[in-house]
Amino acid sequence: GAVVSQHPSWVICKSGTSVKIECRSLDFQATTMFWYRQFPKQSLMLMATSNEGSKATYEQGVEKDKFLINHASLTLSTLTVTSAHPEDSSFYICSANENSGSSFYEQYFGPGTRLTVT
Amino acid sequence: AQRVTQPEKLLSVFKGAPVELKCNYSYSGSPELFWYVQYSRQRLQLLLRHISRESIKGFTADLNKGETSFHLKKPFAQEEDSAMYYCALSGWEYGNKLVFGAGTILRVKS
Repeated sequence: GAVVSQHPSWVICKSGTSVKIECRSLDFQATTMFWYRQFPKQSLMLMATSNEGSKATYEQGVEKDKFLINHASLTLSTLTVTSAHPEDSSFYICSANENSGSSFYEQYFGPGTRLTVT
Repeated sequence: AQRVTQPEKLLSVFKGAPVELKCNYSYSGSPELFWYVQYSRQRLQLLLRHISRESIKGFTADLNKGETSFHLKKPFAQEEDSAMYYCALSGWEYGNKLVFGAGTILRVKS
């Protein structure tokens, strides 16, 4: 099946620095990727939809300048948390739609990246 | 507004007992409903979707539009079913984005 990877799997950074998280579709092309945030023992909250070659669409309440998303190719999307603060500490998960040509686009999820801001 | 409600945070059953994980939704259009599962230390993966009407690992789920429910059922629970289960909905009116419920932890005791 389709595989999505994320790098790094775990990162610790100091407050005020920026962190980049990569999401790759390994064996398929993904025109659309999604970024989620998951707090401990809570559900996944969609942050933004990333479309290859265009600007990301952010969900209400998500700061565009804080969470920069770039989808430069059909297999790579990146999320950069700028000027990170402790409240940005969370589990970030990406997913990618496989363009199978049918009306149903299954989302394949990455393993997640745990960000800890000290 | 699109919303998925999973009323139980934790469901604990004995091996061999029937399982029903509840899911209710609100959506103004024609939704697609899904169940995702996350086993310990593994990534989220699709378990089943209402359109396919198939049984996966013994689990089934029927979309009840009258009750706006999509409960997940299995007649005989197995220990390996222990995991976090998320109900989710999508729809073209919502840009095919997934909206997740809060999730239910299923613990199957031996």
